[in-house]
Amino acid sequence: EPEVTQTPSHQVTQMGQEVILRCVPISNHLYFYWYRQILGQKVEFLVSFYNNEISEKSEIFDDQFSVERPDGSNFTLKIRSTKLEDSAMYFCASSEVAGFQPQHFGDGTRLSIL
Amino acid sequence: RKEVEQDPGPFNVPEGATVAFNCTYSNSASQSFFWYRQDCRKEPKLLMSVYSSGNEDGRFTAQLNRASQYISLLIRDSKLSDSATYLCVVNYAGGTSYGKLTFGQGTILTVHP
Repeated sequence: EPEVTQTPSHQVTQMGQEVILRCVPISNHLYFYWYRQILGQKVEFLVSFYNNEISEKSEIFDDQFSVERPDGSNFTLKIRSTKLEDSAMYFCASSEVAGFQPQHFGDGTRLSIL
Repeated sequence: RKEVEQDPGPFNVPEGATVAFNCTYSNSASQSFFWYRQDCRKEPKLLMSVYSSGNEDGRFTAQLNRASQYISLLIRDSKLSDSATYLCVVNYAGGTSYGKLTFGQGTILTVHP
C-alpha cells in the first residue's frame, strides 16, 4: 500500500535555528497538508497546499513557517527562528481529492527545540 | 464550544467487551467525517469513514446524525490490539477550504486480558 514518508524521524535543533521537514506524499495525490501535535494535545491543522500554492492556513502558520514543493515528489515545511514551543510531532498528509476523501498521514517528525 | 468534542475517557475494558465512543461537532457545514486511531507517539491512521446511513467494517460500526451533529463508533468483541487513542475527525471543504481536518482530543481505550 502506498505510504506518505517523512524525514527525518527525529530532529533536534537549537532555539533560533531553521529546520526543514521533508515529506514525500503518495504519488497520485494532489492535496498536501501539514499538521502538528504538541505532546499531550490534539492534532492541529497547519496548512493545506494544492496546485503549487497554499490553499488554507491556520493561525499557527505565521511568517515563521513556509511550505514548498521543490520538485515533483517532495513537500517541505520550513520553520525559521525556531522557538521552544515549536517542539512537537509534525505530520504530513496527502489526499487524492480534497473534501470527502480521507487524508493519509506520514509517521511524523519529532522536532525537539533546545 | 470546542469544534470537535469527544468523550473524555479513558475507557478500560476487558477483552470481548463492547465499547462505544461519542463525538459532537460544532460546524454544521462539515462535510465528511472519520474515525482515526492513534497509537502512542505514532501517526493517526484511518479507521473508517462515517456515512449518514451508518456503516460497518468488521467489528466496527460508525454512525452519523447530521441533525444532532453527533458521531459514534461502536467496537464489538474488543481485542488487546484495539488499545489506542480513537480520534473523531471532521472535514470541512468548501469555498476556499480544501479539506482541513479538525480533530477531537481523542479517547483512550485500553483493552485488558
